[in-house]
Amino acid sequence: AQRVTQPEKLLSVFKGAPVELKCNYSYSGSPELFWYVQYSRQRLQLLLRHISRESIKGFTADLNKGETSFHLKKPFAQEEDSAMYYCALREGSEKLVFGKGTKLTVNP
Amino acid sequence: GAGVSQSPSNKVTEKGKDVELRCDPISGHTALYWYRQSLGQGLEFLIYFQGNSAPDKSGLPSDRFSAERTGGSVSTLTIQRTQQEDSAVYLCASSLAARGGSYEQYFGPGTRLTVT
Repeated sequence: AQRVTQPEKLLSVFKGAPVELKCNYSYSGSPELFWYVQYSRQRLQLLLRHISRESIKGFTADLNKGETSFHLKKPFAQEEDSAMYYCALREGSEKLVFGKGTKLTVNP
Repeated sequence: GAGVSQSPSNKVTEKGKDVELRCDPISGHTALYWYRQSLGQGLEFLIYFQGNSAPDKSGLPSDRFSAERTGGSVSTLTIQRTQQEDSAVYLCASSLAARGGSYEQYFGPGTRLTVT
């Protein structure tokens, strides 16, 4: 069975501080992992995926197969980063399996 | 043109009534997905369409839930004899394809269903 765990429901940091949103997955094959973000009163949108290895809005995420993790990081958080963040896994099948999400609040 | 659209945006219904939720995917997107977002449960997959067929219905919580897609475009999610635990935001997503590719899923704004 696939499972995605985001251990923190809530995360609060100050503007300019580093931020790390944790994601661990359980899957025996080769996973495809994503981070989705939902800003207030906006629809869910893709932030980044591990296969593209890119940085979006200053965020990066590295797939660590040994630790089965895909943590999302940003060195200097901004107030506009405040949002709900979801880690998601897709394996072979087409559906996405989401974690329960982490609400990030960046305080001024 | 526009992104994925869903209607209605909000629906309040009485327990026991049937409801229909509609999704208009992005034009040309052959894959369509329904998810449910509820407090405490996060985002849960319900069903996936490739064209008009549904290869994966594994997430439908009970036989009160059904979905169809016609013309490879619009999809309708129907919930019969609604229960209070059906209250949630129902999200639709579409993508260019699914099999053999890694295509981004684009999400609609959702339908907030409240069962009283």
